[in-house]
Amino acid sequence: SQQGEEDPQALSIQEGENATMNCSYKTSINNLQWYRQNSGRGLVHLILIRSNEREKHSGRLRVTLDTSKKSSSLLITASRAADTASYFCATLLRDDYKLSFGAGTTVTVRA
Amino acid sequence: GAVVSQHPSWVICKSGTSVKIECRSLDFQATTMFWYRQFPKQSLMLMATSNEGSKATYEQGVEKDKFLINHASLTLSTLTVTSAHPEDSSFYICSGGTNTGELFFGEGSRLTVL
Repeated sequence: SQQGEEDPQALSIQEGENATMNCSYKTSINNLQWYRQNSGRGLVHLILIRSNEREKHSGRLRVTLDTSKKSSSLLITASRAADTASYFCATLLRDDYKLSFGAGTTVTVRA
Repeated sequence: GAVVSQHPSWVICKSGTSVKIECRSLDFQATTMFWYRQFPKQSLMLMATSNEGSKATYEQGVEKDKFLINHASLTLSTLTVTSAHPEDSSFYICSGGTNTGELFFGEGSRLTVL
């Protein structure tokens, strides 16, 4: 079953703007990961944040994790048309080995 | 990142036939491989987990006799959809797991059953 829920479901922004999407989950996690999926393609791993971390950066990506609220956010700064994709959060539960994916946020960046 | 090769990328078959999808980890050894199914505009649903040399563990509601998974080596896992029907049409994605907790995904296989 899906553990993560994401919002918004869809996001349309102008090139150069920032995009923020959120993920909430239900049970304690070992880590939380964000993935990108271009239409009809596989998933690309973007960033992993462990349960004892609060923020991580990778290039134009910034991920936060608030374990007290059981939520995470992904921020894409200075968006580009190539950032158009679906973004999924996935959680790895404690004492588990399986990732559980959220429903995803579809991001469209308009040129 | 590590590379997972999945093929075929798309396949069309007649109802009642079987289709095999291969997933290979090219530059790492995937002790665990995961198979997912994804319907249009939906998330990935885990179907089964396979460990090299042992039987796959299927998620609730997934028919193990219909979706045969073989993980014969540390670099190859296969999913065979047996006696496929139109409702099996979907996007199937494999991924290989490493000991860092990251997953590396194949490019997916789109199955269309006529």
